[in-house]
Amino acid sequence: EDQVTQSPEALRLQEGESSSLNCSYTVSGLRGLFWYRQDPGKGPEFLFTLYSAGEEKEKERLKATLTKKESFLHITAPKPEDSATYLCAVQASRTSGGGADGLTFGKGTHLIIQP
Amino acid sequence: ETGVTQSPTHLIKTRGQQVTLRCSSQSGHNTVSWYQQALGQGPQFIFQYYREEENGRGNFPPRFSGLQFPNYSSELNVNALELDDSALYLCASSRAGTGTAKNIQYFGAGTRLSVL
Repeated sequence: EDQVTQSPEALRLQEGESSSLNCSYTVSGLRGLFWYRQDPGKGPEFLFTLYSAGEEKEKERLKATLTKKESFLHITAPKPEDSATYLCAVQASRTSGGGADGLTFGKGTHLIIQP
Repeated sequence: ETGVTQSPTHLIKTRGQQVTLRCSSQSGHNTVSWYQQALGQGPQFIFQYYREEENGRGNFPPRFSGLQFPNYSSELNVNALELDDSALYLCASSRAGTGTAKNIQYFGAGTRLSVL
């Protein structure tokens, strides 16, 4: 069974204080790993997708990296508007003859950036 | 390009009732997935529809069912509602085909269902 564990559950930082969020996963053949941002009462907003170990993607103050067992979301010099819950999800490779492209999510990291 | 839209935004039902939630896919997308998100948890995969057929299902009972229409919009139906069905229901659309972009699921804002 595919599994995603995110840590920490919650993180409070001062504005400008850089940090990293962790996503550990087990999956029967990784098709893709996804990072989403979710604001209260809203749907997840797509940030990044990573497909193979060693891959990195960057967008503004965020950088996502991937190894064979975990992914990190690095936040550099965060601002209060970066406050949100960050969700990590994996998609397993399809087995022959069927399977679904459903994502398996972790519980998320609730990030608060204080001014 | 329009995003994923869901209706209604909020819904209150009584235990034992039935409910239908609706989703319009993002322009150019032909695959729809549904997720249930309980408070403080990550979304859980319910099922996915492609070419108007169920393409796979997570660990949800048969009283959760769905439809996909020729215009790729979709419905989620839940029968015999239970108190534990109270959650945010999310619809995500994606584009099946070649290339890595097909894996990316884009979510709507969700429907908040409360079962009393």
